[in-house]
Amino acid sequence: EVQLVESGGGLVQPGRSLRLSCIASGFTLGDYTLSWIRQAPGEGLEWVGFIRTKAQGGITEYAASVKDRFIFSRDDSKNIAYLQMNSLKTEDSAVYFCTRDGTRSGDLDNWGQGTLVTVSS
Amino acid sequence: DIQMTQSPSSLSASVGDRVTITCRASQSISSYLNWYQQKPGKAPSLLIYKASGLQSGVPSRFSGSGSGTDFTLTISSLQPEDFAAYYCQQAGSTPWTFGQGTKVEIK
Repeated sequence: EVQLVESGGGLVQPGRSLRLSCIASGFTLGDYTLSWIRQAPGEGLEWVGFIRTKAQGGITEYAASVKDRFIFSRDDSKNIAYLQMNSLKTEDSAVYFCTRDGTRSGDLDNWGQGTLVTVSS
Repeated sequence: DIQMTQSPSSLSASVGDRVTITCRASQSISSYLNWYQQKPGKAPSLLIYKASGLQSGVPSRFSGSGSGTDFTLTISSLQPEDFAAYYCQQAGSTPWTFGQGTKVEIK
């Protein structure tokens, strides 16, 4: 069974950093692009960005709202992906989901349960 | 960025009703359009990929159509478990963007 499990969320002050982890099981992480999606409380879904496979050059793309502050990485040998969030702002408060790209049309065919990040002083 | 406009933002329907949700892209995205269902407190789940492909395990009462800029999600006969929020997502070009969502409520 394909599973994605996020961890690392919590309460953090503005300007600080936080690293989220996404542990994959039931499939070979290295074969898939991983995307991060966030959802502020009571709001819709927002694409944060993705990290392609190493075979695809490990290319990363980011939403403008997080570019130069967030960094995606992956350790395929451990089946873990990371989202390093720096210089956090209150508007980054959201549930963060890691998702697997289904490779057909940028579809996100498996989602983690999400981890809540709250940025507040 | 490509803007995705979903309509309606909410609707009330009864069990057994046929429900249609539309999604319009601000520019052509070919068939790079996906649909998701999200129930309260849960992660979204993929229903339809590439505009009309039914994701494995999704009931056949769900269907998608469209290409270019105009897309439709149809639920042929609404079931109690279908009351949820629905989102379209374009992957024609980055940044990928979502519609604002449609909340389907019980009439």
